[in-house]
Amino acid sequence: EAQVTQNPRYLITVTGKKLTVTCSQNMNHEYMSWYRQDPGLGLRQIYYSMNVEVTDKGDVPEGYKVSRKEKRNFPLILESPSPNQTSLYFCASSWGGWSQETQYFGPGTRLLVL
Amino acid sequence: GEDVEQSLFLSVREGDSSVINCTYTDSSSTYLYWYKQEPGAGLQLLTYIFSNMDMKQDQRLTVLLNKKDKHLSLRIADTQTGDSAIYFCAERVLSGGYNKLIFGAGTRLAVHP
Repeated sequence: EAQVTQNPRYLITVTGKKLTVTCSQNMNHEYMSWYRQDPGLGLRQIYYSMNVEVTDKGDVPEGYKVSRKEKRNFPLILESPSPNQTSLYFCASSWGGWSQETQYFGPGTRLLVL
Repeated sequence: GEDVEQSLFLSVREGDSSVINCTYTDSSSTYLYWYKQEPGAGLQLLTYIFSNMDMKQDQRLTVLLNKKDKHLSLRIADTQTGDSAIYFCAERVLSGGYNKLIFGAGTRLAVHP
């Protein structure tokens, strides 16, 4: 089954404790991205990756890091989480950056930073 | 600038039509989209319209585009309880040499008996 998986689905942590949210897709997609969803703001792109070892900042990259060492995985790293990073996070993938409209979205990771 | 706006809530009675509205600011948008997000799930592409069209119909869904006013709407005929979800409008713009999606804040559609 074609899918994007994220782990964990729910996470409660404390300020400053490093965490990683994993994202994996099984569709051999080149393009992957991370979004955060906040009430009244919709989805905002954090980082994206056009292919292995090619990543770039989205609209709200501050406080986040990513890596793309393998085509299928695109982890999101919060080196020192802060309460303003409490949000719902979505990973997404598509064949290429030109086809973002057909992105497949993961189920989301709800993060609470205390 | 790039901005997509939509109302946050809509409540309709089962069987009635729902109309969700959206306005956008970037006149260079090539495609405009509607996504659906069901509770606890990610976004799913519902339908889209190319910027040189003014209407697209797909079963119970009708998308209307007024390019002059930069206004997009999604009409759901015979709305069912299963249509309860958050609906996101999005536009595709060219930014920094690549295509980028700009999302609205989402409209929460509540369908009641």
